[in-house]
Amino acid sequence: DTEVTQTPKHLVMGMTNKKSLKCEQHMGHRAMYWYKQKAKKPPELMFVYSYEKLSINESVPSRFSPECPNSSLLNLHLHALQPEDSALYLCASSPREGGTEAFFGQGTRLTVV
Amino acid sequence: SQQGEEDPQALSIQEGENATMNCSYKTSINNLQWYRQNSGRGLVHLILIRSNEREKHSGRLRVTLDTSKKSSSLLITASRAADTASYFCATPGVGTYKYIFGTGTRLKVLA
Repeated sequence: DTEVTQTPKHLVMGMTNKKSLKCEQHMGHRAMYWYKQKAKKPPELMFVYSYEKLSINESVPSRFSPECPNSSLLNLHLHALQPEDSALYLCASSPREGGTEAFFGQGTRLTVV
Repeated sequence: SQQGEEDPQALSIQEGENATMNCSYKTSINNLQWYRQNSGRGLVHLILIRSNEREKHSGRLRVTLDTSKKSSSLLITASRAADTASYFCATPGVGTYKYIFGTGTRLKVLA
């Protein structure tokens, strides 16, 4: 199984809503990532988890809250988002630190209204 | 910003032609990777070239790396309509988990 599975594929939420994005991999990878991508732009790193511990937070606003319940799962909790947070949110995993390929999920298309 | 630059930003070619895109980066690297993204969905890893390699092939893909110029190029030979996608280079930071992506090249292959 070489897949990273993200749910949901699409999400529309209001600015007062609380929602969560989910990501799952069963490749035994020990690093997992959240990226944000706006249209016609490259993915921008948000968070990195290494061995289930938060390793990197790229100064992301607190309305985005990551969680890694176990080595296979990664969540991104969303609360009080702004319309400018609308984007494609990509999850990725890799066996270890950045010396190997990363495997990406298909992303969640988030629209904040 | 550590982000690399790619050029051209967009490229439109006929099926059967070759497509070349370039990536310049800023930091020291152990390797450089190329990814493809179809229609704003997930990224797919294409090829990895290590810092001690100058050229690498994978099927119709040819990647070169010049560490003295901090640049890489991706050549797709005999392009097909299915190659229409955005292509990104990525440079994992040395000793970190960061994959920093270049600005990307949008390739359109016309049938």
